[in-house]
Amino acid sequence: GAVVSQHPSRVICKSGTSVKIECRSLDFQATTMFWYRQFPKKSLMLMATSNEGSKATYEQGVEKDKFLINHASLTLSTLTVTSAHPEDSSFYICSVETSGTGELFFGEGSRLTVL
Amino acid sequence: DAKTTQPPSMDCAEGRAANLPCNHSTISGNEYVYWYRQIHSQGPQYIIHGLKNNETNEMASLIITEDRKSSTLILPHATLRDTAVYYCIVFNSGGSNYKLTFGKGTLLTVNP
Repeated sequence: GAVVSQHPSRVICKSGTSVKIECRSLDFQATTMFWYRQFPKKSLMLMATSNEGSKATYEQGVEKDKFLINHASLTLSTLTVTSAHPEDSSFYICSVETSGTGELFFGEGSRLTVL
Repeated sequence: DAKTTQPPSMDCAEGRAANLPCNHSTISGNEYVYWYRQIHSQGPQYIIHGLKNNETNEMASLIITEDRKSSTLILPHATLRDTAVYYCIVFNSGGSNYKLTFGKGTLLTVNP
């Protein structure tokens, strides 16, 4: 399976600032990565599909100008939360699919707290 | 993706088998049944998946009914580290669109 690493694991920022979260596929070249968000005691919600070398595909209701996704290489996708607000506080998780079987490998998650 | 129904919570004694049910009565013929779990404050972990036959790996067994309308994930000897939320997902992986939809899952608590 793939090893997926996220950084930072925890971040606290002030309202109005931007925060970048990195997702790295350490041993697999991923043309596609997925970004999920999870609010406390809720299930994971898919935010967007990150495509290497092209624009990300966002799910309905997710603002693409607020959640900027860049997938500049086969091993790195970044999610930037712009002008963060307290309601953006959440657990952000990325994943990759490697085998064509639908088996996803997830990162450890990044917990964002916006004050 | 087809909808699944799982009990919100279950308890299991350490060392005993944990049997987690999932109903997916509207599953279509090309959809697989996947199981993932999420330990608190971690990313989800793939457990197992199957189409129609029962499957077994080092983590668990998956029993799918003949009509495919329900399945059971079996952890043969549950440990405290198996305490997690278990998600049953039905998904068509043949379309190369790996967008999984997570429901609320079952919180399995393994008790000493």
